[in-house]
Amino acid sequence: DTGVSQNPRHKITKRGQNVTFRCDPISEHNRLYWYRQTLGQGPEFLTYFQNEAQLEKSRLLSDRFSAERPKGSFSTLEIQRTEQGDSAMYLCASPTGAGNTIYFGEGSWLTVV
Amino acid sequence: DQQVKQNSPSLSVQEGRISILNCDYTNSMFDYFLWYKKYPAEGPTFLISISSIKDKNEDGRFTVFLNKSAKHLSLHIVPSQPGDSAVYFCAASGSRGSYIPTFGRGTSLIVHP
Repeated sequence: DTGVSQNPRHKITKRGQNVTFRCDPISEHNRLYWYRQTLGQGPEFLTYFQNEAQLEKSRLLSDRFSAERPKGSFSTLEIQRTEQGDSAMYLCASPTGAGNTIYFGEGSWLTVV
Repeated sequence: DQQVKQNSPSLSVQEGRISILNCDYTNSMFDYFLWYKKYPAEGPTFLISISSIKDKNEDGRFTVFLNKSAKHLSLHIVPSQPGDSAVYFCAASGSRGSYIPTFGRGTSLIVHP
């Protein structure tokens, strides 16, 4: 158990619908990352928070994607008007302490039909 | 442009023998390197890391070697066990990039009994 909790674990949605994923990271840590993984690829960076501030965003994060981290605790990743190409595992990660190792949650599988 | 490359998509090894997984990187700003293991439908699990000030780090059956001049690192698993069968991801990060790890595409390891 990495202490990073994600839900829902699985989501099947129709194309065009909106979906939201939630991440509850290791408590008291100020850094939080979102990644996406598709088959045959490694995790691809989406966005990074330092407390409640979203400091970096990948160009993968189109305008249909938005992420928030109110109060610097849990984070949400919303995808609007989903497309089939959004089908992937969405991963949240957080370090445990002052170190540079990040620990992933179990991931949220999205299937867009 | 892939900054972290794992050129072998798969590797097959007999139980008890050594598994060697390789990784190359191109960005000289990377100074921290990690290996993760991933089972299907789960998030990546951290295995071992190495800082650029070292050339070797060992943890039980797992050893990571870093050759900075060649921009190459490898993960050795000795002895390999069937439970080691998984996809292994190499990742690299730099202190100037908010420690955002960049991942390779992974190597699928199969350990035969």
